[in-house]
Amino acid sequence: GNSVTQMEGPVTLSEEAFLTINCTYTATGYPSLFWYVQYPGEGLQLLLKATKADDKGSNKGFEATYRKETTSFHLEKGSVQVSDSAVYFCALSPREGGKLIFGQGTELSVKP
Amino acid sequence: DGGITQSPKYLFRKEGQNVTLSCEQNLNHDAMYWYRQDPGQGLRLIYYSQIVNDFQKGDIAEGYSVSREKKESFPLTVTSAQKNPTAFYLCASSSSDRGGFSNQPQHFGDGTRLSIL
Repeated sequence: GNSVTQMEGPVTLSEEAFLTINCTYTATGYPSLFWYVQYPGEGLQLLLKATKADDKGSNKGFEATYRKETTSFHLEKGSVQVSDSAVYFCALSPREGGKLIFGQGTELSVKP
Repeated sequence: DGGITQSPKYLFRKEGQNVTLSCEQNLNHDAMYWYRQDPGQGLRLIYYSQIVNDFQKGDIAEGYSVSREKKESFPLTVTSAQKNPTAFYLCASSSSDRGGFSNQPQHFGDGTRLSIL
């Protein structure tokens, strides 16, 4: 079946630190991969996406590369800010059906 | 501005009562979805619809019902059969392309928080 596994949180970093949030997936075929961000009390916002192997998604300084050989889609940012504090969700969408399957989310807290 | 509107933001349910959560979108998206989010967990799919007058059960449909009479609207009813309804409910929509719905991101509303009185 299809599933997504994220590193457990919470992750606490100092401002300007380097961020990595690990995400690995299990899927049949070649899914599309997404990172979403959720700020407190709000819905989810799309952060970035990649639809095929070796694609790199990027947005607002965040990046993730679709690695088929390691079935991974790790989220990275070179220098985090306090405003990046949120919960981050990795998700996959199988080729058939278009439903999103989410990881459990990783809470990030950035301290000044 | 185009987007998804969920209402109400907070909702309280009494024992034995059905409640309906509203979701409206003006993005002209074909597909709409309902998710449930519990503290510290990811999102679980309740129901989804890819076309008007048609919908499918997700992973946790028991105790919920939906309708899709209009493209813009996808209300969710939490019935009295749902014994643990306290959660944050999120509605989403997406468009499709030649590859179907899988390449397209989902756009989310701001959610409805449901609690039991």
